[in-house]
Amino acid sequence: GDSVTQMEGPVTLSEEAFLTINCTYTATGYPSLFWYVQYPGEGLQLLLKATKADDKGSNKGFEATYRKETTSFHLEKGSVQVSDSAVYFCALKNSNSGYALNFGKGTSLLVTP
Amino acid sequence: GAVVSQHPSWVICKSGTSVKIECRSLDFQATTMFWYRQFPKQSLMLMATSNEGSKATYEQGVEKDKFLINHASLTLSTLTVTSAHPEDSSFYICSARDDRGDSPLHFGNGTRLTVT
Repeated sequence: GDSVTQMEGPVTLSEEAFLTINCTYTATGYPSLFWYVQYPGEGLQLLLKATKADDKGSNKGFEATYRKETTSFHLEKGSVQVSDSAVYFCALKNSNSGYALNFGKGTSLLVTP
Repeated sequence: GAVVSQHPSWVICKSGTSVKIECRSLDFQATTMFWYRQFPKQSLMLMATSNEGSKATYEQGVEKDKFLINHASLTLSTLTVTSAHPEDSSFYICSARDDRGDSPLHFGNGTRLTVT
């Protein structure tokens, strides 16, 4: 079945450092890919998405490119801020699973001043 | 923006009792809602798909008699954990799909259930 694997955390970075959180997936067909973010005490929020190969999703300085050849959707940001501290979830949605999302385990990011 | 309200945010109950968790879409209609369970340092695991006006669809391994789902209106789905046991202690999260189109799922803030 479909699955998502993302790098384990926690990840600790200094402010303005470069961020990469790896995400790879296994799925049949052509899934849509997502990154969700969960700030402390809040629900999951959509950060960005890509619906087909080579699409790049971007939001708030974060980017991720849908790479079908490597089945990856790595999240990147050039310069993180303390306010980016949160848990990040990679997820996929496959047409054969309706509208439900299949999540990775989440990666906790802590950015220090 | 769209908001999903989940209540309560945390609950402590004794073994053998039942607990109801509510999930409401506040500014949109949601024919379809989803219930997830999250263990510490684990992914969100889909438990069931809740459909307004029909029976919920449960994922393999989820006991339907244990986790009762009722989706009685287009804005409300409830999850009742019946005869709760300590192993049911977990973080439960609901999400709702806006009926108006192919928008992303909206998530509640989750409910921390502790069974003593």
